[in-house]
Amino acid sequence: DIQMTQSPSTLSASVGDRVTITCRASQSTSSWLAWYQQKPGKAPKFLIYTASSLESGVPSRFSGSGSGTEFTLTISSLQPDDFATYYCQQYNSSLFGPGTKVDIK
Amino acid sequence: QVQLQESGPGLVKPSETLSLTCAVSGYSISSGDYWGWIRQPPGKGLEWIGSIHLSGSTFYNPSLKSRATISIDTSKNQFSLELSSVTAADTAVYFCARHPGGGTPSDFWGQGTLVTVSS
Repeated sequence: DIQMTQSPSTLSASVGDRVTITCRASQSTSSWLAWYQQKPGKAPKFLIYTASSLESGVPSRFSGSGSGTEFTLTISSLQPDDFATYYCQQYNSSLFGPGTKVDIK
Repeated sequence: QVQLQESGPGLVKPSETLSLTCAVSGYSISSGDYWGWIRQPPGKGLEWIGSIHLSGSTFYNPSLKSRATISIDTSKNQFSLELSSVTAADTAVYFCARHPGGGTPSDFWGQGTLVTVSS
């Protein structure tokens, strides 16, 4: 079975910082990788699919990269609305990573 | 705009069956997409439960397959989840969601509903 990991589990950052979150799969997942943002008490918001394609309406400061077993989500300049938990998902098997919480430094 | 809304009891007794419904509005459930359930225990991560296609084909998380049943009702534009023999470990926020194809990400989500398993 594929296992998904994310690092770090928590990331403290300031507004304006460049933030990078890593997602790793225990075996190749090609580019079937999505990213979601979740705020407390809310449903996840779909951000990125096929590892690097931005969903319509998602700000361009979000970007994704990677293929195979290692993927990254980058926020180029962190905004106040971006403090949240981020999940990757290998959607071919619908498996989610454990999440990375981005909080205020 | 696709909108999804979960409904069902917020409290279920141990060993009983959890039943939830997801009403879809602004979009026809018969359009050929997949419809799924995802849950999130308090303070924890997301776990996919399973999905159903209009054709009735279902796909389940192997860890829950023996207890989960997803069905679809095109006449009411809704789909449902039943999870049998629940324990406290099934306490979670349950989300319904759409994914446009088999093995695709979930692009529209319901707001989620908390189900607590307790006597």
